[in-house]
Amino acid sequence: GAVVSQHPSWVICKSGTSVKIECRSLDFQATTMFWYRQFPKQSLMLMATSNEGSKATYEQGVEKDKFLINHASLTLSTLTVTSAHPEDSSFYICSAGKGAGTDTQYFGPGTRLTVL
Amino acid sequence: SQKIEQNSEALNIQEGKTATLTCNYTNYSPAYLQWYRQDPGRGPVFLLLIRENEKEKRKERLKVTFDTTLKQSLFHITASQPADSATYLCALDANFNKFYFGSGTKLNVKP
Repeated sequence: GAVVSQHPSWVICKSGTSVKIECRSLDFQATTMFWYRQFPKQSLMLMATSNEGSKATYEQGVEKDKFLINHASLTLSTLTVTSAHPEDSSFYICSAGKGAGTDTQYFGPGTRLTVL
Repeated sequence: SQKIEQNSEALNIQEGKTATLTCNYTNYSPAYLQWYRQDPGRGPVFLLLIRENEKEKRKERLKVTFDTTLKQSLFHITASQPADSATYLCALDANFNKFYFGSGTKLNVKP
């Protein structure tokens, strides 16, 4: 199988605080993971590509200083939303592939972030 | 700019009928295209992948076609069931294994 987990599944925080979301590939190693954001009734918007051992690559319009990504191992990537504001409230989803050049992406269950 | 379009209106069909969902794209030349299913509050689940040199792909009750001339993919569910009710997303590869998703089409299968 190919299972990707996320933690937490939901989080509520106060405006101005930082929130860390973890993405783990449980039964495979992933050199590359992707982070998406999804607003209600909208599609997934790719935020950044997380590369193990190197800096993340951010999509145009995504602030890298606000959305900090760390891919410290082949099974873990973290997304930290710094100084969160209510407009950052969204559904954050990560995905991972089984190897370089692989096609299928396996998605985590998502993390619902609500910023008050 | 690149654009991926799926019918934003929900598709309502009767159980047992064939559901057909459309994905159109512009300004892309994807090497492959994928279809995913997403249930409310959950991450997408991979269904099928079709490459640019393939016209059609099947998996059980699912069938995907890929017309690179029309820049269109059709996703069919035959003998649809209420359990097939979900939002279906198409995704195109950009490069470096990056994927861009369409907005999704919600399918409602009525018993």
